[in-house]
Amino acid sequence: GAVVSQHPSRVICKSGTSVKIECRSLDFQATTMFWYRQFPKQSLMLMATSNEGSKATYEQGVEKDKFLINHASLTLSTLTVTSAHPEDSSFYICSARRQGVVNTIYFGEGSWLTVV
Amino acid sequence: AQSVTQLDSQVPVFEEAPVELRCNYSSSVSVYLFWYVQYPNQGLQLLLKYLSGSTLVKGINGFEAEFNKSQTSFHLRKPSVHISDTAEYFCAVSAYQAGTALIFGKGTTLSVSS
Repeated sequence: GAVVSQHPSRVICKSGTSVKIECRSLDFQATTMFWYRQFPKQSLMLMATSNEGSKATYEQGVEKDKFLINHASLTLSTLTVTSAHPEDSSFYICSARRQGVVNTIYFGEGSWLTVV
Repeated sequence: AQSVTQLDSQVPVFEEAPVELRCNYSSSVSVYLFWYVQYPNQGLQLLLKYLSGSTLVKGINGFEAEFNKSQTSFHLRKPSVHISDTAEYFCAVSAYQAGTALIFGKGTTLSVSS
């Protein structure tokens, strides 16, 4: 079946640095990708929707200058957490909508970010 | 906009007992409905989804859900649970419109004990 790969699965970074998380659709083209954030024992909160070749649409309350999202190709979207702080520590999950298939969305395995 | 309410934050049950996890949604447009399971420290796994057609949907691991449009509900059921079903369960909704994201409920923790 279709697979969405996230990398890295776990990352630790120092406060003030930036970290990039990649989301790849391995065997299909994804015109739309979504980024979610999940705090421990809580639900997934939609951060932004990214469409290939255009600017991401951010949900209310999500700082677009802090969470940079790029969707440069039909198989790759990246989330860059800039000037990370400990409160940015979280589980980040991407999902990809398969082009041409009605409402078929695949989730990545998620990426744990710890900012120290 | 859509929203999802999972009525129970925690559901403890004994092994081999039946279980129902409740989900209600709100939307001004037609929607697709989903149930996902998340095991500790892992990503999401799709259990089942309702797109159209029969309102009773069967999924993996013996789970099923019934879409009730009049009650705006999509409750998840399993006739006999196993210890391995212990996990977090999320109900999600997506509008018909192309390009819309899944909106998740707060989740229900299913704890199965022997």
